[in-house]
Amino acid sequence: SQELEQSPQSLIVQEGKNLTINCTSSKTLYGLYWYKQKYGEGLIFLMMLQKGGEEKSHEKITAKLDEKKQQSSLHITASQPSHAGIYLCGGSNYKLTFGKGTLLTVNP
Amino acid sequence: EPEVTQTPSHQVTQMGQEVILRCVPISNHLYFYWYRQILGQKVEFLVSFYNNEISEKSEIFDDQFSVERPDGSNFTLKIRSTKLEDSAMYFCASSNRDPSTDTQYFGPGTRLTVL
Repeated sequence: SQELEQSPQSLIVQEGKNLTINCTSSKTLYGLYWYKQKYGEGLIFLMMLQKGGEEKSHEKITAKLDEKKQQSSLHITASQPSHAGIYLCGGSNYKLTFGKGTLLTVNP
Repeated sequence: EPEVTQTPSHQVTQMGQEVILRCVPISNHLYFYWYRQILGQKVEFLVSFYNNEISEKSEIFDDQFSVERPDGSNFTLKIRSTKLEDSAMYFCASSNRDPSTDTQYFGPGTRLTVL
C-alpha cells in the first residue's frame, strides 16, 4: 500500500522566516495534494500537483513535485501567524492517502 | 464559493447506538467520500461512492458502516452499533471528476464521541 512520510513532524519559526515541509511517497503518485488543517477542523485545499517537475504558487506558498512524482515540497516565504496550522500532503490513487502532517507554529 | 457542509458538528452517543452523519457535497460533484481521523492520527480513507454505489472501501469500513445518497443532495454515513474506537472526526469530501486527477474538497467534519 502507498505510504506518505512528512518531515518535519513539527516546526516552529519566527514570523517573517521562510520554511519548507517535505513529503515523500513510497510509490509514484497520480497526483499530490497539499491541505491545511487547523486543529479539530476540516481540511482546506491548498494545491494539487500532477506532472513530474511541476511547481505551483499561491500567494506566499509554493509547492513542487519531483520528476519521479514521489517527492514534494511546500515552501512558505515570509511566514505569518496566519500560516500556522497542520499541513497535510495527500497522494491520490483514486482515494487519498495522507501523511501524518506537519504542525507549523509561527511566533510573532 | 461552493463548499461541503456536514451536520452535526459534534455528536455524542452511547456505545451500541446507531448514528447517522450527514453531508451535503458540492452540488455539481459526482464522487463522494468519507474519511475519518482519530485524535492525533492520520486522516484515513473509509469509502468512496459514485453513481449510487460504493466504488472502493477500506478495511475499516466493515459491516457496521453503510453509506447512502437518499436524495439529490445528501450523502450519509451510518454506523449501526457504535464502539468506543469509532470516536473520531469524520470528514466528508466530494470531487467533480475522476478522483485520481481531481481535487477532493472536504467538509468541516463531525466529531463523534462514543461513551
